[in-house]
Amino acid sequence: QVQLVQSGAEVKKPGASVKVSCKASGYTFTGYYMHWVRQAPGQGLEWMGWINPNSGGTNYAQKFQGRVTMTRDTSITTAYMELSRLRSDDTAVYYCARDLMVRGVLGTAFDPWGQGTLVTVSS
Amino acid sequence: EIVLTQSPGTLSLSPGERATLSCRASQSVSSNYLTWYQQKPGQAPRLLIYGASSRATGIPDRFSGSGSGTDFTLTISRLEPEDFAMYYCQQYGSSSWTFGQGTKVEIK
Repeated sequence: QVQLVQSGAEVKKPGASVKVSCKASGYTFTGYYMHWVRQAPGQGLEWMGWINPNSGGTNYAQKFQGRVTMTRDTSITTAYMELSRLRSDDTAVYYCARDLMVRGVLGTAFDPWGQGTLVTVSS
Repeated sequence: EIVLTQSPGTLSLSPGERATLSCRASQSVSSNYLTWYQQKPGQAPRLLIYGASSRATGIPDRFSGSGSGTDFTLTISRLEPEDFAMYYCQQYGSSSWTFGQGTKVEIK
């Protein structure tokens, strides 16, 4: 079955960087865009960007441009999201989610989602 | 950026009742790109409806989506105990995605 498994929780100090991984299985990794979404404690969902695992091309939300880097390693079907210059308000659960790519078109929906990775930023 | 406003913020209903959740967009959204998710505490979101009205694989037919333009609705025809959760709408436009703030469906 299609599955996304993320790396474990992280605790970082302000100003540091964090890199979260998302291991994909059960489908052709390079055939589907991968998104990253975050959710601050008790808050809603916020889209951060996507990576095309085939080409490595990326598209980041304006809010995160300059601080986020999304990469992938096709040999191990894993996507990564690195966020730098962390602040306390970056404390959140970070999710990877595959684009459904209905009829090969980007943007239809996100499915499935990884289990989430809690990143805590605290001094 | 398109802003999605969900209402009500909280819906208090009993099992067996009908739930009607609204998602209003600040400008017109293509129906192809209006999506609904369910999220339970401590879990990742789960896809329910895509393309405004298409049920995702494995989603019971008590869930239905409708709407167009700026007004979209998620209807749960008869609430089951497992349906009490948070629901989010999402849209894709201008190369970015936004989510509504969510509607909590709670047990009355």
